Amino acid sequence: GDSVTQMEGPVTLSEEAFLTINCTYTATGYPSLFWYVQYPGEGLQLLLKATKADDKGSNKGFEATYRKETTSFHLEKGSVQVSDSAVYFCALNDYKLSFGAGTTVTVRA
Amino acid sequence: DAGVTQSPTHLIKTRGQHVTLRCSPISGHKSVSWYQQVLGQGPQFIFQYYEKEERGRGNFPDRFSARQFPNYSSELNVNALLLGDSALYLCASSLAGTVAYEQYFGPGTRLTVT
Repeated sequence: GDSVTQMEGPVTLSEEAFLTINCTYTATGYPSLFWYVQYPGEGLQLLLKATKADDKGSNKGFEATYRKETTSFHLEKGSVQVSDSAVYFCALNDYKLSFGAGTTVTVRA
Repeated sequence: DAGVTQSPTHLIKTRGQHVTLRCSPISGHKSVSWYQQVLGQGPQFIFQYYEKEERGRGNFPDRFSARQFPNYSSELNVNALLLGDSALYLCASSLAGTVAYEQYFGPGTRLTVT
């Protein structure tokens, strides 16, 4: 079945550091790919999406490119802030969302 | 516009009891999905409904059931509760059930089974 594997955490960074969270997927069809973020005490929020190969999703300084050849959708941000501390989930959608286990990111001032 | 709303926010039940969770989608959204999120894990798909019909079901026992009403709101029912059913139950809505449409999540219902 479809599945998502993402980099295990936790990840701890200093402010203005570069963040990468790796995500790879297995799918039989042509899913859309998403990154969701869950801030402490809050629900899941859509961060960005890509619906086909080579699409780049971006939002709030975060970017991810849908790479069909490597079945990957890595999340990157060039300069993180303390407010980026959260749990990040990679997910694929083939009518239902299949989530990775989540990566906890803590950014220190 | 209001987002996805869920009720109740928190719930404590005893093993063997039954529970009903409710969800109202974003206005105009016709698809509702339910997910279970156990602490420290990613959400797991339970059901998807579109236009009041079940479109998909995850790997959950028959104790879990759901339905969607003509106004597109939805209920998730769980019978014969087990301790392992303790989790955050998330409802998500989308315009339609196809892969391109993003799903928007509600705040969830925290269920504790004692």
